[in-house]
Amino acid sequence: KQEVTQIPAALSVPEGENLVLNCSFTDSAIYNLQWFRQDPGKGLTSLLLIQSSQREQTSGRLNASLDKSSGRSTLYIAASQPGDSATYLCAVALNSNYQLIWGAGTKLIIKP
Amino acid sequence: DGGITQSPKYLFRKEGQNVTLSCEQNLNHDAMYWYRQDPGQGLRLIYYSQIVNDFQKGDIAEGYSVSREKKESFPLTVTSAQKNPTAFYLCASSIWGERGRYNEQFFGPGTRLTVL
Repeated sequence: KQEVTQIPAALSVPEGENLVLNCSFTDSAIYNLQWFRQDPGKGLTSLLLIQSSQREQTSGRLNASLDKSSGRSTLYIAASQPGDSATYLCAVALNSNYQLIWGAGTKLIIKP
Repeated sequence: DGGITQSPKYLFRKEGQNVTLSCEQNLNHDAMYWYRQDPGQGLRLIYYSQIVNDFQKGDIAEGYSVSREKKESFPLTVTSAQKNPTAFYLCASSIWGERGRYNEQFFGPGTRLTVL
């Protein structure tokens, strides 16, 4: 059974730092992996989607990597800003039925 | 504006009541989904629908029901059989292409349901 883990559960860093969020999954047979952002009490915003055949995707200050063999993905945020404060969730899509399996998220706080 | 709307934003339910959460999308997406989010846990799939008049149970369908009479709408009913319904409910939609090709999901703003 596919399981997705995000560590740490919470992270606080000063503004301007580069940081990495981690996502690990137990079964490498995935269709794709997505990173989402969720602000308190709000819905989810899709940040990046990496297909299983890809190694990374970039959007602005965000870069997501995927290593299927090791069951890991990282979300790199460059030059962090207070507006980046949110909970970041990763989800993997199964090959069998494309259903998303979710991590519990990392709550990120960027201190001004 | 294209997007997904959910209503109401907050909903309060008394014991023994059924309540219905609304989800509408104007993205012309084929597939729609309902998730439940509890503190400290990942999202869990309740039901999903790939086409009109068809839907499938997710991991935690017990105590919930859905309908898909129109492409744009996918309402979720939380029945009295759901023993712990207090949670944040998220609706999503996506394209469902030929041969089941998966595309990224887009989410609504959510409905927070509280049992009194």
